Amino acid sequence: TQLLEQSPQFLSIQEGENLTVYCNSSSVFSSLQWYRQEPGEGPVLLVTVVTGGEVKKLKRLTFQFGDARKDSSLHITAAQPGDTGLYLCAGAGGTYKYIFGTGTRLKVLA
Amino acid sequence: ETGVTQSPTHLIKTRGQQVTLRCSSQSGHNTVSWYQQALGQGPQFIFQYYREEENGRGNFPPRFSGLQFPNYSSELNVNALELDDSALYLCASSPNPGDPYEQYFGPGTRLTVT
Repeated sequence: TQLLEQSPQFLSIQEGENLTVYCNSSSVFSSLQWYRQEPGEGPVLLVTVVTGGEVKKLKRLTFQFGDARKDSSLHITAAQPGDTGLYLCAGAGGTYKYIFGTGTRLKVLA
Repeated sequence: ETGVTQSPTHLIKTRGQQVTLRCSSQSGHNTVSWYQQALGQGPQFIFQYYREEENGRGNFPPRFSGLQFPNYSSELNVNALELDDSALYLCASSPNPGDPYEQYFGPGTRLTVT
């Protein structure tokens, strides 16, 4: 069974700090998606990475797909309170069609 | 462009009862997936429907069933509710059933089973 493990599980930082969230698996994924979810809402798609080694930028967010397509990272530069939320990686699973990571709950303090 | 909508927003049911949750897809999307999200966890895939047929299923028992209609809206039915079924149920639509799975989620239905 494919699993996506995220680290850290919780992160509380001050506004202006940088942070990196990791998404790791022992399995290869053809693509990975990153989502952000706020309380009481559904996840919102941030980005899709497809090619090994691919780097995508979305304003202050940088997403990277590992060369072997087994892992991914999300780096946020100069975090702001509006970045607060649950960050989820997800990808097409083997046995089950689609799996989500365990999630990283980020809180950015003003 | 209308996003994914779900109804109802909240629901309280008693153990043993049955429940139906509804989802309207984003315009132009022919694929719908349903997820269960327990408190503090990531969503768990229940199943996907593509052109009115089930197109993949997660590790959920048969008492979880679904339907997709010609207009691509969808229902999730859960029979014989158990306390552990209490969760946020999310519907997501996609323009196609294949990889990459770029899904657009609705706000969810919060189900409480007492």
